[in-house]
Amino acid sequence: DIVMTQTPLSLSVTPGQPASISCKSSQSLLHSDGKTYFYWYLQKPGQSPQLLIYEVSSRFSGVPDRFSGSGSGTDFTLKISRVEAEDVGVYYCMQGIHLPWTFGQGTKVEIK
Amino acid sequence: QVQLVQSGAEVKKPGASVKVSCKASGYTFTSYDISWVRQAPGQGLEWMGWISAYNGNTNYAQKLQGRVTMTTNTSTSTAYMELRSLRSDDTAVYYCASGILDYWGQGTLVTVSS
Repeated sequence: DIVMTQTPLSLSVTPGQPASISCKSSQSLLHSDGKTYFYWYLQKPGQSPQLLIYEVSSRFSGVPDRFSGSGSGTDFTLKISRVEAEDVGVYYCMQGIHLPWTFGQGTKVEIK
Repeated sequence: QVQLVQSGAEVKKPGASVKVSCKASGYTFTSYDISWVRQAPGQGLEWMGWISAYNGNTNYAQKLQGRVTMTTNTSTSTAYMELRSLRSDDTAVYYCASGILDYWGQGTLVTVSS
């Protein structure tokens, strides 16, 4: 199975400051169709996960533009340009190219 | 708007089976796969498998092979996940999600306890 490794596992951020989460996969997530099947999800406290970013860098509908994704191959990053109180929760990366789909361990983001 | 509404919480004894439903609305049901993801208490997300709502093809996580069955009823736009021979470590919130996990159900807590 593909192993997804997130760092850091927890993050405490002052509102208005940037934040960054890294995710590394044990194999390349680049498909022969040219797409990279890598995703970011946020699970807010007490809620179901929600899709933030798909295919590395595309924001899902309704996701604020302070969220951005980048990377290629095996190394990926989620950046929040200015953290807001509503951004607290656990962020998960996921690969959707190799079965079984696998998630990172999660990064818990809290507000200082 | 897309909605996935799951059935309610269940309490089961070890060795029993559970069947969770996920009713979709707001889109053409057969256009997207349905995946099932579970989350044990205080833990991360675990993908269980998916089913094509178009043709019923399935793909299950190897660790669940033989214990899980995913089905759909296209006439009611509902997906089902049945897990058999339940163990205590199957206690989790079970989520259904469409496509690339872009829309999620509200989750169903399944508790396995004697």
